[in-house]
Amino acid sequence: AQKVTQAQTEISVVEKEDVTLDCVYETRDTTYYLFWYKQPPSGELVFLIRRNSFDEQNEISGRYSWNFQKSTSSFNFTITASQVVDSAVYFCALSRTSGNTPLVFGKGTRLSVIA
Amino acid sequence: DGGITQSPKYLFRKEGQNVTLSCEQNLNHDAMYWYRQDPGQGLRLIYYSQIVNDFQKGDIAEGYSVSREKKESFPLTVTSAQKNPTAFYLCASSTGAGGTGELFFGEGSRLTVL
Repeated sequence: AQKVTQAQTEISVVEKEDVTLDCVYETRDTTYYLFWYKQPPSGELVFLIRRNSFDEQNEISGRYSWNFQKSTSSFNFTITASQVVDSAVYFCALSRTSGNTPLVFGKGTRLSVIA
Repeated sequence: DGGITQSPKYLFRKEGQNVTLSCEQNLNHDAMYWYRQDPGQGLRLIYYSQIVNDFQKGDIAEGYSVSREKKESFPLTVTSAQKNPTAFYLCASSTGAGGTGELFFGEGSRLTVL
């Protein structure tokens, strides 16, 4: 069975601090996808990144970066120089690479960035 | 613009009443999904459909029903059998077989049972 664990329920940081959101996953599949989604107060989930299990390179997109480590089954998300607009609930998710299989989500981490 | 439209955004229901949440997509996606979100519980899968006229139960299907008569539509009915229906409901869609697995979400429907 697939499982995603986001151990941090809530995190509060002061603006401009760096923050890392942890994600640990479990799967018996040899190939899979990992995702991060952002849910702002409006409610709609916004796609941030997809990572194929074959690609262990870290990725950076502006202030966002992701650290994928297959050896520890982790896919952590770091926001550098956080801003108030980063305040949201962030979800990590896992799916098989075969098409149309539902994503399995973690319980989410609520990030509050204080000005 | 292409996307997913959920309606209504807010809905109030009396106990014992069925209610149907609408989900329409114009992304030409084959697969559609319904998730339920409760505080501290993350997103839990209710039902999903990979093709028209076919759907599968998710982890928490009891008390819910769906239909997929058209590719673009996947309505969810919350029946009176659902013991705790107050929640935030999210509809999503994804491309067909061989796709990347990315889900596109609607803005959600918040159901409150009075």
